[in-house]
Amino acid sequence: DGGITQSPKYLFRKEGQNVTLSCEQNLNHDAMYWYRQDPGQGLRLIYYSQIVNDFQKGDIAEGYSVSREKKESFPLTVTSAQKNPTAFYLCASSIPTRQGVHGYTFGSGTRLTVV
Amino acid sequence: EDQVTQSPEALRLQEGESSSLNCSYTVSGLRGLFWYRQDPGKGPEFLFTLYSAGEEKEKERLKATLTKKESFLHITAPKPEDSATYLCAVQPAWNAGNMLTFGGGTRLMVKP
Repeated sequence: DGGITQSPKYLFRKEGQNVTLSCEQNLNHDAMYWYRQDPGQGLRLIYYSQIVNDFQKGDIAEGYSVSREKKESFPLTVTSAQKNPTAFYLCASSIPTRQGVHGYTFGSGTRLTVV
Repeated sequence: EDQVTQSPEALRLQEGESSSLNCSYTVSGLRGLFWYRQDPGKGPEFLFTLYSAGEEKEKERLKATLTKKESFLHITAPKPEDSATYLCAVQPAWNAGNMLTFGGGTRLMVKP
């Protein structure tokens, strides 16, 4: 079955450490997204990519970095510059708008905690 | 600036007690409005897409409706398994990047 796989499910980061969250999809979707979800708040866009080797900053990109070397993969690195990284991180993918109006397919999320 | 506001933030219902969740939006042209269900610790699952005012869609005990300023998710005779957070999102007409703007969600709790 096609879908999006995020790993790990739980991740613990020490102060000053960089960590990378994995996101892999086999839906053949061109567009991929990273969102951050905090309790009581909506999803906030970190980065998005419409095509391989291209990505753009979202609303809260500071302290994060991404790469898009393959269509299937869109890893997110949480750097030491992100001062409040504890949150639930969601990866999503979608078909481009030129093919109509489409929502997202989401992964199951990674919960990142600073220890 | 595009905005999506969901109300109430939390809703407690008895099993069988019907109610509605609200999603108010401000957007420069609407391409689509989406409803998702999210269980604790999981990613959102797609429920409905609505495209134009007057449109309605149904799935089991859920019915979504759309006006020019808001959408409602009606829950008829809810069961405890309907307990979840329901998210609303809009895709503006200007957004060639297919990005969605999300509301804060409504956390629904249905007691047996």
